[in-house]
Amino acid sequence: KNQVEQSPQSLIILEGKNCTLQCNYTVSPFSNLRWYKQDTGRGPVSLTIMTFSENTKSNGRYTATLDADTKQSSLHITASQLSDSASYICVVSEMKTSYDKVIFGPGTSLSVIP
Amino acid sequence: NAGVTQTPKFQVLKTGQSMTLQCAQDMNHNSMYWYRQDPGMGLRLIYYSASEGTTDKGEVPNGYNVSRLNKREFSLRLESAAPSQTSVYFCASSGRDWAYEQYFGPGTRLTVT
Repeated sequence: KNQVEQSPQSLIILEGKNCTLQCNYTVSPFSNLRWYKQDTGRGPVSLTIMTFSENTKSNGRYTATLDADTKQSSLHITASQLSDSASYICVVSEMKTSYDKVIFGPGTSLSVIP
Repeated sequence: NAGVTQTPKFQVLKTGQSMTLQCAQDMNHNSMYWYRQDPGMGLRLIYYSASEGTTDKGEVPNGYNVSRLNKREFSLRLESAAPSQTSVYFCASSGRDWAYEQYFGPGTRLTVT
């Protein structure tokens, strides 16, 4: 069964520090992988998207990496800010003939404290 | 340009009652989706519409029906609400198909007592 797992489940860091969130997946055949940020009470917002041939993608202080061989991805947040407090969701697309089936991870809850 | 809008934002139903969740997008997107989000679980697809006039079941369609009213609007109906349908419901849209970024609405928090 295609699955997406994320770790840690939750994380607390001090403002200004860096952190890395992990995503492991068993989805095959693989189409693409996205990271979303979901603020409390809001819908998810896309941060990055990577296809099989890409192994890194940046969006400001967010850098995502992808190792398609080991089926692992990470999201690195640099110089964290209080506004980074949110849930970060890894989303993997399974390639199908007519459409890509999307599988959401459970998310990592990040709290940035002063 | 409002993006994806959903109504209502909150709703409390009694078991057995029915209701319709409304979703609209103003980005001229072809594809629209309904998800539910439960604590500790990833978003799960209920139904999707790849284009106007078509709808298909997702991962958890039981107890729900959908209508793609036109290109802009995609509604989700609960015919006889059950406590297991207590959840946060998100509508999303994307430009052409799954490979494109999905834009999400703000969600509807539904409680069934």
